[in-house]
Amino acid sequence: DIQMTQSPSSLSASVGDRITITCRASQSISSYLNWYQQKPGKAPRLLIYVASTLQSGVPSRFSGSGSGTDFSLTISSLQPEDFATYYCQQSYHTRTFGQGTKVEIK
Amino acid sequence: QVQLVQSGAEVKKPGASVKVSCKASGYTFTSNYLHWVRQAPGQGLEWMGLINPSGGGTGYAQKFQGRVTMTKDTSTSTVFMELSSLRSEDTAVYYCARDVDGIGSGGTYNWFDPWGQGTLVTVSS
Repeated sequence: DIQMTQSPSSLSASVGDRITITCRASQSISSYLNWYQQKPGKAPRLLIYVASTLQSGVPSRFSGSGSGTDFSLTISSLQPEDFATYYCQQSYHTRTFGQGTKVEIK
Repeated sequence: QVQLVQSGAEVKKPGASVKVSCKASGYTFTSNYLHWVRQAPGQGLEWMGLINPSGGGTGYAQKFQGRVTMTKDTSTSTVFMELSSLRSEDTAVYYCARDVDGIGSGGTYNWFDPWGQGTLVTVSS
């Protein structure tokens, strides 16, 4: 199975900060990498697919990059509604999620 | 709009089975695979498996092989996930999610969109 490792597991940041979350795959997955946002008590929501393509309706402050084994999700200027948990997911072989990164208010 | 609506919360005793439904609307039911993902309290997302609503073919994560069964009812655009031999560790929110695919330079890519609202399954004696 392909393992996905996110870092950090949690981070504290302020409104307006730029943050980056990384995701590493245990083997090369090309660009078969998606990012989801989940708020408490809610289902996950698709943010980015194929490593860097922004889902329709997602603000442009979100961006994704990477290929192979190393990927990142960047929020250029944190907004109050961005405080949530973020998951990466590989779709190269079956499906696996990272363990999540919780973004909290500093 | 595309929507997945799941059945309500369940409370089950250890050793019992649970069957959760996921009703699709807003698109052609047989055009997209559907997946099941679960999330234990305070934990991350765990992929359980998928079903092809067109032919009924399934694929399960190894962890759930022999304990999970995914089925579909095309007449109602509904998929079902049944988990048997329940134990306390199966207490979780269970989600269905639609598989979307797109052609890119490297082949066919897949992602989940949208997700159902989730169904809480509590296993307790």
